[in-house]
Parts: sequence; C-alpha cells; structure tokens
Amino acid sequence: GQSLEQPSEVTAVEGAIVQINCTYQTSGFYGLSWYQQHDGGAPTFLSYNALDGLEETGRFSSFLSRSDSYGYLLLQELQMKDSASYFCAVRDTGGFKTIFGAGTRLFVKA
Amino acid sequence: KAGVTQTPRYLIKTRGQQVTLSCSPISGHRSVSWYQQTPGQGLQFLFEYFSETQRNKGNFPGRFSGRQFSNSRSEMNVSTLELGDSALYLCASSWTSGSTDTQYFGPGTRLTVL
Repeated sequence: GQSLEQPSEVTAVEGAIVQINCTYQTSGFYGLSWYQQHDGGAPTFLSYNALDGLEETGRFSSFLSRSDSYGYLLLQELQMKDSASYFCAVRDTGGFKTIFGAGTRLFVKA
Repeated sequence: KAGVTQTPRYLIKTRGQQVTLSCSPISGHRSVSWYQQTPGQGLQFLFEYFSETQRNKGNFPGRFSGRQFSNSRSEMNVSTLELGDSALYLCASSWTSGSTDTQYFGPGTRLTVL
C-alpha cells in the first residue's frame, strides 16, 4: 500500500528552526507537497517538490530525496502563528488521488 | 476570486439517516476531491471528480457516494449514517486532475452523528 509517516507532534521555541520529517512508501508519485492547517481552518498549500533537493519559500523550505523516500519541511524564525498542523502529501501516479500523511502538530512556545 | 465553499458548515444527524454535503469549487476549477478528516487520522481520500466523471474512489464503503455537475459543483452523500462517520468533510478543487495541481480546500462540513 501507500503511506506517509510523520511525527505526531513537535514542539519548538519562538524564533527557532524546526524540521518536520515525512517518510513515504508509495509505488510512484509526482512530487511531495506540504499543507498547513490551523485549528478550525482549512488546509492551505505551502510548498511542492517535484524534483530532489531544496525548495525555499520565505521562512519555509521543503526538501525531497526520492532515493531515501524522505522529505522534510523546514520552518525558520518560528512565530507563534506557526502553531498548526502540517501535512505532507503525494499525488499518486497510479490513479487520480492525493494521499496525505496523518499530520504533525507543531506547538510554538514563547 | 471566491474560494471553495462548502454547505452546510455544521450538521447533526442521527444514526441511520442520510446526509448530502455540497461543494462549490473556485471558478474555473474542474476537479473536485473529497476527504474525511478525523483526529489523528489525517485526511482520508474519498473521491476525485473531473468534468463530471469520478476518477478515483478511496477505501470507503458503498454508503459513501458522490457526483459532480456540469458547473463543477459537487455533492457527496452518506447513507445509513453510523457513529463513526462523525468527522470533518473537506473538499478541495484544482484546475485539472494534473500531476502538479495545487489543491485549494474549503472550510469543511463538520458532521456529528448521534
């Protein structure tokens, strides 16, 4: 089957850097996406890696290594508003569907 | 441009009833996907539609069904509700069913089954 594994929770201090990992088992996918969801809100798109390497978007960066079946989201200069759930997701090449990880709850402390 | 809208936002039903949820995608988007979200389970894929055709269906019982209309609006239906169907139901739209299309999510419908 296809699955994505993420840590359930991560805690970090305001101003710090945090990395949220995502390991996956899938027969084929187009790329790795990351979404952010605040409590009571809708998931919103953050970043996408089609190729191996690092993609940077402001304070957020995302990395993909297909050979290691691994990716991560890096959040720098953490702010309180970054407290949210973060989901990795892949677009399955075998069919028309997107598979999401269970999500990582990030707590940012003052 | 208006975002993805879902109606109703909140719904309370009892076991055995059925429910229909509606999703209006962003104007111009032709693909709609549905997800069930429960605490600790992430987003579980339900269906994906493109141009009124169901492209794929997730691992859910036949009580879960859906459709898409010619204006790309989509509905999902759950019959014979069970307590375990209580969840947040999210729909997402994208331009196509392409490999790199970003999905834009609606606020969700919170379904509670008593």
